[in-house]
Amino acid sequence: ESVLTQYPGSLSLSPGESATLSCRASRRVGKSLAWYQQRPGQAPSLVIYDASKRATGIPARFSGSGSGTDFTLTISSLEPEDFAVYYCQHRTNWPPGITFGQGTRLEI
Amino acid sequence: QVHLVASGGGVVQPGGSLRLSCLASGFNFSDFGMHWVRQAPGKAPQWLSYIKNDGGDRYYAESVKGRCFISRDNARNSLSLEMTNLTSDDTALYYCVPPTTSDWYGWLDPWGQGTLVTVSS
Repeated sequence: ESVLTQYPGSLSLSPGESATLSCRASRRVGKSLAWYQQRPGQAPSLVIYDASKRATGIPARFSGSGSGTDFTLTISSLEPEDFAVYYCQHRTNWPPGITFGQGTRLEI
Repeated sequence: QVHLVASGGGVVQPGGSLRLSCLASGFNFSDFGMHWVRQAPGKAPQWLSYIKNDGGDRYYAESVKGRCFISRDNARNSLSLEMTNLTSDDTALYYCVPPTTSDWYGWLDPWGQGTLVTVSS
């Protein structure tokens, strides 16, 4: 299975600034990658899937890019509610498995 | 609106076992595969298991294979997870999650509120 490494581990920014979060896979995964947001005390929720598609209800300031081994989640003009932990996730079809990165904490 | 209520968590002694349940509503449960995912305090989520909509296929993470069993009852819109030989590493919040496209190829969304399992003597 592919190991996902996220960086940086934490990122301190201010509202209105842009955030760039990275996820590197140990093996090529095509575009089979998703990003999840987890706010304090809440369950994770899907933000980006298939590397670049926004999930339902996700604002346009969220964008995903990349393929193969290197992926990026960009959040432009940060809003207070965007400060959270973000995880990338990959799925392998055979053998079946799902892996998550260790997360990036985006803090004010 | 999708609603997922996980239950069965609590304090379990090391070496013990547990059976978690998830009651689903707001979607056609029998059409969807389902996942169990857990998250230890301060850690990333960890996928545990998946069951196909008809129960025909079951997948497990290597880390829990052999001591984990997933099952479902479509008549009751219910999903279950049994785990044995628990250790402190199994302490986590356990979530049941449907895939976005109803099968293995979907992403994990939405997540319920989870049920907390604490393994401690």
